[in-house]
Amino acid sequence: AQKITQTQPGMFVQEKEAVTLDCTYDTSDPSYGLFWYKQPSSGEMIFLIYQGSYDQQNATEGRYSLNFQKARKSANLVISASQLGDSAMYFCAMRANFGNEKLTFGTGTRLTIIP
Amino acid sequence: EPEVTQTPSHQVTQMGQEVILRCVPISNHLYFYWYRQILGQKVEFLVSFYNNEISEKSEIFDDQFSVERPDGSNFTLKIRSTKLEDSAMYFCASGAGREASEAFFGQGTRLTVV
Repeated sequence: AQKITQTQPGMFVQEKEAVTLDCTYDTSDPSYGLFWYKQPSSGEMIFLIYQGSYDQQNATEGRYSLNFQKARKSANLVISASQLGDSAMYFCAMRANFGNEKLTFGTGTRLTIIP
Repeated sequence: EPEVTQTPSHQVTQMGQEVILRCVPISNHLYFYWYRQILGQKVEFLVSFYNNEISEKSEIFDDQFSVERPDGSNFTLKIRSTKLEDSAMYFCASGAGREASEAFFGQGTRLTVV
């Protein structure tokens, strides 16, 4: 079974600062993928970034980067130079790469960017 | 950019009525999913669908739920007799494969059961 833990229910960050959203996971699967999604108030789930468990380098997508520490089972999302439009719920999720393909989600972090 | 499309965006239905939520996955994807998010809670897996059959379902996905891919493009979720607790956002998702680096969600259907 897979489990995702997001320990920060809410965060307030000043505009233009960097922010780290925490995510730890637990799995016995040898191969898996980690995902981050953004959910604005309108409700849709926007895919942000993906990290494979065997990827040697941390994933980056524009202002988003994933700080992947496999030994610690953590996959924190880093947003650089935060913007007002970054205010949203952020969900970490994982998927085993064999057997079932479903995503298991954490409880999310509500990020609010302060002007 | 390809996207997953869901209709309707919002549906209000009376308790006990049947509803069908529709999804058009990304055309070359092979894996299809339904997820549910009760207001203020996390996203929960309902069912996955591959090769025209259910590959896994959660304990939430009981006999009142069914899925279908009627015409090779649409992917539907039917709730036979809705209950108040079925009120939630329902997301369809599709993926290219087990190790795909992306998993795309539709914009969701907000179901309100009154």
